[in-house]
Formats: sequence, structure tokens, C-alpha cells
Amino acid sequence: QSALTQPASVSGSPGQSITISCTGTSSDVGGYNHVSWYQQHPGKAPKLMIYDVNDRPSGISNRFSGSKSGNTASLTIAGLQAEDEADYYCGSFTSSTTLVFGGGTKLTVL
Amino acid sequence: EVQLVESGGGLVQPGGSLRLSCAASGFTFSTYAMSWVRQAPGKGLEWVSSIISGSRTFYADSVKGRFTISRDSSNSALYLQMHGLTAEDTALYYCAKPIIGVLRGFEDWGQGTLVTVSS
Repeated sequence: QSALTQPASVSGSPGQSITISCTGTSSDVGGYNHVSWYQQHPGKAPKLMIYDVNDRPSGISNRFSGSKSGNTASLTIAGLQAEDEADYYCGSFTSSTTLVFGGGTKLTVL
Repeated sequence: EVQLVESGGGLVQPGGSLRLSCAASGFTFSTYAMSWVRQAPGKGLEWVSSIISGSRTFYADSVKGRFTISRDSSNSALYLQMHGLTAEDTALYYCAKPIIGVLRGFEDWGQGTLVTVSS
């Protein structure tokens, strides 16, 4: 199972919106509405930000939103804040009953 | 409050074995599927294995046949028995609990236990 494709890095200024893409295939992202997104700060465990494409766990800011079109899922962060600077990973359920992650995207808040 | 505490990591020689444990508390352990996710130093996340019940287990191709996931619901414990370890297995191993289902999103994570495979 190949990793999902994410951009290595994205950046934005405080207050702006950014979008991180996550491209897979019809056997994972495109075939199921079970895409999740994680935020990871250095030295910390990952934190679930989005699950099932566009659902937010309790306590997650509505500045974070998810979507999907075909084989590509996206995470949008609105109103960028300094504390949003982190690595972000997408994950998707697959037709093999496994989970595949993306390679990760480093978000820099300028 | 959900707590997941991993243990059992350490330095092991190539070809060796190790058993990881995860002590869970703060939720009804028996009603949740549980998973292991690893992260090699400086690298991304990699799903390793999940278990719903004793007979319903799932593995990444990279560990299939070498790793065995198990659980003890009476003790709220998750395990990962690892054999035939190689340098590529060197990673921080996280125990993870889903928000719903099995592989739809991991809401709770432990702090991880480090496995280093080296001679």
C-alpha cells in the first residue's frame, strides 16, 4: 500500500487560510469517506483534527475543516495562528482493511 | 480521562524480538478496537496493526507474519509481539484508540515507546 501524497510544506501568514491536499486512489481516499487528519507538534503525539472527511472531534476549533473530491482530500485551516505551525498528516481507510497515511506536510506560519 | 501508557521498548539486535504493552484507562477498553502506529525518527506516521477482538486482527504488509497484536480486556491491556526485527522497525511505537469504528480516526494516543534495532 503506497503512502498518500501530501505537499512537503505549505506556509501562510497569520489570519490567512491555507489548504493541504492529500491524494490517494479509488482504493483508499476515493473509495471511502474515512479520511482523517492529524496535527503533530515536535516531540508530541499526533492530535486528531478531522475524521470521516469533515467531522471534528469535540474541542477542535471550527477553523479546521475537511473536504474530499474524487481521490483527493483536503484540510483547510482558516484564520491561521502561530500555534497552528506543526506537521499535518492525512490518513485513509483502504480496501484492504488497512490504514494508509500521507507523508506529512510541514506548515509554517510566517 | 483516557490514558494510554506504552512500555516495553528498548534496544534490540537485528533478528531479535520484543513485546510492547499498552496500559489503557479512562474508558471501557473492551468496547473499542485498538491500534499500534509507529513513527521512525524524523519520519512520518505508519499504521502497524489493529485489533477488534482476538480473532479479528489487521496488519500492515511491512509487519505481517512478524508482528502479532493481542489484547487482554480483563486487564485493559494491548500488546504487540515483534519478531524478526530489522533496522527498518526502529521507531517510536504509539498505542492509539479510535474516535469511532476501527480505522476512521485515532482520537487518543499514548506518548509512545521507542524501539531501536541495532547491533
